[in-house]
Amino acid sequence: DTAVSQTPKYLVTQMGNDKSIKCEQNLGHDTMYWYKQDSKKFLKIMFSYNNKELIINETVPNRFSPKSPDKAHLNLHINSLELGDSAVYFCASSPFPGGGELFFGEGSRLTVL
Amino acid sequence: DAKTTQPTSMDCAEGRAANLPCNHSTISGNEYVYWYRQIHSQGPQYIIHGLKNNETNEMASLIITEDRKSSTLILPHATLRDTAVYYCIVRVGSGNTGKLIFGQGTTLQVKP
Repeated sequence: DTAVSQTPKYLVTQMGNDKSIKCEQNLGHDTMYWYKQDSKKFLKIMFSYNNKELIINETVPNRFSPKSPDKAHLNLHINSLELGDSAVYFCASSPFPGGGELFFGEGSRLTVL
Repeated sequence: DAKTTQPTSMDCAEGRAANLPCNHSTISGNEYVYWYRQIHSQGPQYIIHGLKNNETNEMASLIITEDRKSSTLILPHATLRDTAVYYCIVRVGSGNTGKLIFGQGTTLQVKP
């Protein structure tokens, strides 16, 4: 049983399209995150949510809209995709906000053509 | 920006101890040091963390200098499966807004 699962694992799309990545955790954690890993392999935090409430928004363009229907799910919707959005997006969870022990998913590789 | 600096890459012979250094000279008194690793094409994996004292778990040991300006992650008996990028991270912020800022990490290559 995967602790943090993301779908889809791979996503190839055209510029200007809108796409979503879903994330679910079965660890009972209160906090979930989205990280972006670019082509240079730098991992950057994008958002964190605690019990469906936005806690951290790292000045991500508003084309990126996270949605947390419940504390076990955090989805990432991206509007008007740009070439620079190509990256691997990782979802993670932790027992409480601000914690340092995160459990990451396997990543979703987004390629924008 | 990350508050840590690490060597870009290191090699280690299989079965030997791998010692991965990290400098965090600007660390504040209440900031923890975390270590993660990322095996190729997988999500990052938590290894260990510490504040002042040395720590050990089933995966590794963490040695933090007395002045807390540097630390070393030790994998006591490296295997080929330990080949990965190892990230040393100082958690910044406090309370609910504390967060992990990943740097470039050290690529550890374990060789037969």
